[in-house]
Amino acid sequence: QKEVEQDPGPLSVPEGAIVSLNCTYSNSAFQYFMWYRQYSRKGPELLMYTYSSGNKEDGRFTAQVDKSSKYISLFIRDSQPSDSATYLCAMSAIDKIIFGKGTRLHILP
Amino acid sequence: GAVVSQHPSWVICKSGTSVKIECRSLDFQATTMFWYRQFPKQSLMLMATSNEGSKATYEQGVEKDKFLINHASLTLSTLTVTSAHPEDSSFYICSAQQGREQYFGPGTRLTVT
Repeated sequence: QKEVEQDPGPLSVPEGAIVSLNCTYSNSAFQYFMWYRQYSRKGPELLMYTYSSGNKEDGRFTAQVDKSSKYISLFIRDSQPSDSATYLCAMSAIDKIIFGKGTRLHILP
Repeated sequence: GAVVSQHPSWVICKSGTSVKIECRSLDFQATTMFWYRQFPKQSLMLMATSNEGSKATYEQGVEKDKFLINHASLTLSTLTVTSAHPEDSSFYICSAQQGREQYFGPGTRLTVT
């Protein structure tokens, strides 16, 4: 079993919809959870990070962590065409950080 | 804050030549930097971890003699692709660690002809 699993998509949703992106993990040592956004031919950009179970909100973005289920999510409200990108989850323990393979998201105008 | 730059952003070189890519943390010091490679529509592939003042740690399957990494200061790491071949054409991205977060550079597109 891979340490981090992420559906590569592509995921296509209409503009204005709520988007749900998810990752599962197997290593209970992961303590820190991050979401990155990567536009085509650009480096990934850190969107959100959290280290505890529960929700963290930043504007239209909400990161959710459920450590008991080893499951993290990123919700995007009122999705815009400019949100079209690849979203990578990442998790870290003391000595390493592991990235998911990324989910390609298309917001349809 | 936490800005990472890369230079050049795009380079074309002939097969057999060497290319150096620079990664700089502009507003923070980074004892650890990472080098990734990414093929079109593929995920990031970690190549090596670069630690300031010591030898880089390479991932399995990455040739250390081909991909030379130097982390001479707390704000600069360089990746040199030696004797480049067309199969080395890819998008190379560095990141710098600050605390528990990694901040990525904008990437360098290498094309070997």
